[in-house]
Amino acid sequence: DTAVSQTPKYLVTQMGNDKSIKCEQNLGHDTMYWYKQDSKKFLKIMFSYNNKELIINETVPNRFSPKSPDKAHLNLHINSLELGDSAVYFCASSQDPLTNSPLHFGNGTRLTVT
Amino acid sequence: RKEVEQDPGPFNVPEGATVAFNCTYSNSASQSFFWYRQDCRKEPKLLMSVYSSGNEDGRFTAQLNRASQYISLLIRDSKLSDSATYLCVVNGDGGFKTIFGAGTRLFVKA
Repeated sequence: DTAVSQTPKYLVTQMGNDKSIKCEQNLGHDTMYWYKQDSKKFLKIMFSYNNKELIINETVPNRFSPKSPDKAHLNLHINSLELGDSAVYFCASSQDPLTNSPLHFGNGTRLTVT
Repeated sequence: RKEVEQDPGPFNVPEGATVAFNCTYSNSASQSFFWYRQDCRKEPKLLMSVYSSGNEDGRFTAQLNRASQYISLLIRDSKLSDSATYLCVVNGDGGFKTIFGAGTRLFVKA
């Protein structure tokens, strides 16, 4: 009965590969997000979606392409992986950002690019 | 100027101490404010929302000063289990852009 679940938990891959991270929330929330937490532990927003529509794209390289097939899912596909993509990627959701709703996070996906 | 700024610490305090964290934000149109807690290798979790009138949850007190664009968190009677990184969080852009500060590390020692 996990609220926000993302898979895989760990991902180790080589430079140049393409990989995907999946995220699902069963909270009935309208808004979903992807965050990246780098080695310095800084948590930076990448994308936010509301009812499957892209709302925020925070100057993320085109190699990152989010896909939201429905409002319960927000997947992240990364093409041509680079060393600098190594980080922990967190998916999150919120009920209604306009009404002080907090974020609920998944457990994170630790991506290592070698 | 960063959108949300916090003192990174670390703060090293003994059990039972009172410790305060501060945070400033740059967007005066920000609407919602939170403190989150993140344990090592875990996801961030909501500690408390921050309301204009200030609010308290047990040993934790949060304050918001909109005029100064300043948020604070006070922890009283620190416990070992309070050791974590505390993240100041601000909503902007109609609420869809939730910005995290870099976090303040707290170590509570016996």
